[in-house]
Amino acid sequence: NAGVTQTPKFQVLKTGQSMTLQCAQDMNHEYMSWYRQDPGMGLRLIHYSVGAGITDQGEVPNGYNVSRSTTEDFPLRLLSAAPSQTSVYFCASSYERVTEAFFGQGTRLTVV
Amino acid sequence: GENVEQHPSTLSVQEGDSAVIKCTYSDSASNYFPWYKQELGKGPQLIIDIRSNVGEKKDQRIAVTLNKTAKHFSLHITETQPEDSAVYFCAASPSGNTPLVFGKGTRLSVIA
Repeated sequence: NAGVTQTPKFQVLKTGQSMTLQCAQDMNHEYMSWYRQDPGMGLRLIHYSVGAGITDQGEVPNGYNVSRSTTEDFPLRLLSAAPSQTSVYFCASSYERVTEAFFGQGTRLTVV
Repeated sequence: GENVEQHPSTLSVQEGDSAVIKCTYSDSASNYFPWYKQELGKGPQLIIDIRSNVGEKKDQRIAVTLNKTAKHFSLHITETQPEDSAVYFCAASPSGNTPLVFGKGTRLSVIA
């Protein structure tokens, strides 16, 4: 049972480049979320999904897009990378909204 | 929306002493309060949670208390050990579909 798998683990982008952070879970969870973690800021919600075909914005959605075509996958797209998007990104999934959230190992992104 | 405040931001204790981390929340409709531990280079992992119909919950050396009237909850770790050193996050589940809202974290250092 792999749980929540994020790829890549590390990425360096140039300003203006685009990329997709991958997230997959094998627990048949309906809820999936993307958070970013910055020093002293905790975990801030970017986007979330309550099931396939349904997504919504979180606290800090600007500059990011998501889609949920399957239950298993929830990719996060950076449209035009900016230095302010340098952060560690975590994907999480849960069976229901108020049950344990399982986190991936994170993607450390640096935008230069 | 929900706002979760966490204190202190850093905490150092001697091995064997107790550690207490406190959180407050703003949404009186929140009904699920988990605590996560994040070790260096890893994603957060659930260590204990409590629901709004319960005042206290224990799991070996870890306990969580909830005061719904005051809208605050606390994590208590007794007989601390060096492996308890990590960043701890509290969270709350607000009303609606929004996933967990996290506090900014507490870096706990247990000094041997």
